[in-house]
Amino acid sequence: DSGVTQTPKHLITATGQRVTLRCSPRSGDLSVYWYQQSLDQGLQFLIQYYNGEERAKGNILERFSAQQFPDLHSELNLSSLELGDSALYFCASSVSWITEAFFGQGTRLTVV
Amino acid sequence: DQQVKQNSPSLSVQEGRISILNCDYTNSMFDYFLWYKKYPAEGPTFLISISSIKDKNEDGRFTVFLNKSAKHLSLHIVPSQPGDSAVYFCAASFGNEKLTFGTGTRLTIIP
Repeated sequence: DSGVTQTPKHLITATGQRVTLRCSPRSGDLSVYWYQQSLDQGLQFLIQYYNGEERAKGNILERFSAQQFPDLHSELNLSSLELGDSALYFCASSVSWITEAFFGQGTRLTVV
Repeated sequence: DQQVKQNSPSLSVQEGRISILNCDYTNSMFDYFLWYKKYPAEGPTFLISISSIKDKNEDGRFTVFLNKSAKHLSLHIVPSQPGDSAVYFCAASFGNEKLTFGTGTRLTIIP
């Protein structure tokens, strides 16, 4: 158990819909990172928050957005979903550096 | 543009033998490299890392080698055990910023 909690574990939704993925970081961790893993792909960095503020942005689509709340949990919002958005979405947290991050179990999103 | 590449999607090794997983990178600015292990239905877990100022790092059965001139790193597992069966990702970082991952190698240890 990494201490990073992601909910839900699985999500099936239709194209055009909007979903919210939630991440609770390890106690004391200020940084939260979101990654997407599509079929046969490596993990692609989406976005990082540090203590409530966006710190770095990767290959995140405009249809996707994220935020980190005062209690440090984070949510990733995916809207106007397309079939190609089906993937595993991982959240990771660390005190500060990504090289010390722990990953959650992931949320498997299936868009039908 | 795949800056970190794992060209072998899968590898099968006999139990007790050495497993060698390879990774190549293109960005010479990377200064820290990590290996993660991932079991089904779990997130990646950190295995071992190496800074670009070193060429070898050992932790028990796991050794990572870095060849900067070739932009190549490898993970050696000796001896391989059934519990080592998993997907292994290499990742690289520059200045402790975001990790760039390879596509993974599925290692199967044959009893």
